[in-house]
Amino acid sequence: AQSVTQPDIHITVSEGASLELRCNYSYGATPYLFWYVQSPGQGLQLLLKYFSGDTLVQGIKGFEAEFKRSQSSFNLRKPSVHWSDAAEYFCAVGERTGANNLFFGTGTRLTVIP
Amino acid sequence: GAVVSQHPSWVICKSGTSVKIECRSLDFQATTMFWYRQFPKQSLMLMATSNEGSKATYEQGVEKDKFLINHASLTLSTLTVTSAHPEDSSFYICSASSRLAGSYNEQFFGPGTRLTVL
Repeated sequence: AQSVTQPDIHITVSEGASLELRCNYSYGATPYLFWYVQSPGQGLQLLLKYFSGDTLVQGIKGFEAEFKRSQSSFNLRKPSVHWSDAAEYFCAVGERTGANNLFFGTGTRLTVIP
Repeated sequence: GAVVSQHPSWVICKSGTSVKIECRSLDFQATTMFWYRQFPKQSLMLMATSNEGSKATYEQGVEKDKFLINHASLTLSTLTVTSAHPEDSSFYICSASSRLAGSYNEQFFGPGTRLTVL
């Protein structure tokens, strides 16, 4: 069965510091992989996605993520965090068949301190 | 492109009443719509998937008689919470996708609806 693990519930970083949010997945084949960001009381915004090809994908707002098949990971990175990046971040696995359902991790809350 | 709206953005109702939440795809035809529920500080849990003109497929543990889903057109799906109780208070998020042959049905998310049942 598919599952997504985000081991860090809450991360605090200083503005300008680098960021890495971890995501590990379990899936029978190579999944579709996504990172979403959610601000308080808001819906989800897609940051980036991986379907195939280059394992390093670039997204919006300066984010990037690297798919590592050997580690079943899809970690999200940003070289320099801005105060506006404070939000909840969700990693998700998308099924390749059927309705292409998404399965979400439990999320990582990012706090940015000045 | 690929904008999804939800209405209302928040609603407060009395226990025992029914509440309807609308999800609209504004600039594309959504062959499939998804309804999620999110409790505070938790992840999104898929409640059901609906295809236009068909009955919704509910996830295990979701009461289909309590959460009525209608997907009558390619741009509108509704979720009706019947006889709402305080434990139904939650953040409900819909998403929509457009099935193209041989391609991935990427989901586009609405902004969510905050339901509070008193």
